[in-house]
Amino acid sequence: DVKVTQSSRYLVKRTGEKVFLECVQDMDHENMFWYRQDPGLGLRLIYFSYDVKMKEKGDIPEGYSVSREKKERFSLILESASTNQTSMYLCASSVRGSYSNQPQHFGDGTRLSIL
Amino acid sequence: GQNIDQPTEMTATEGAIVQINCTYQTSGFNGLFWYQQHAGEAPTFLSYNVLDGLEEKGRFSSFLSRSKGYSYLLLKELQMKDSASYLCAVRVHSGAGSYQLTFGKGTKLSVIP
Repeated sequence: DVKVTQSSRYLVKRTGEKVFLECVQDMDHENMFWYRQDPGLGLRLIYFSYDVKMKEKGDIPEGYSVSREKKERFSLILESASTNQTSMYLCASSVRGSYSNQPQHFGDGTRLSIL
Repeated sequence: GQNIDQPTEMTATEGAIVQINCTYQTSGFNGLFWYQQHAGEAPTFLSYNVLDGLEEKGRFSSFLSRSKGYSYLLLKELQMKDSASYLCAVRVHSGAGSYQLTFGKGTKLSVIP
């Protein structure tokens, strides 16, 4: 089974802090994704990466950056945390093939609270 | 841009059949996924459609009409454990030669005895 592991289930940080969320997958997937999920807004894509050191902006990249130095690891960085970044953050991975029926596999999520 | 619509909430009775609809307007359509998400848990993959028609997988079936921009998820013989949110997601080509998913806001299904 695919395993996507997020480093923390719950995290509390203060406004202005630099926050790192880590995600590791064990299936040698090329693609990795970061989403946030908010009530009434659904899952929204922040950033994704289709290869090591490659990154693409999603729908809501403002206030975030990412890092992918190794194929199995994808980090989300909140440069200066703000209260409106309080949310559930979900990491996902998938194979790269554009016509593949293989789905994205999700981690359990990190519930981040910014005080 | 992408636009995906699905009902916010639905209620159905244990043992019954329920149909959750999803309509979409997208460019670069490359497949539609349905996910199930229990409260506090990660979304898990249910079904995939890229061609028109019905895909059946046990108690769950999913239908796609690309010309109408329409899909539905059909759940038969409902069980209490089917109470969850159901997410419709459309895959589109990204500019990077890869693809990304755009999710609807999800339909919260409550199964009652």
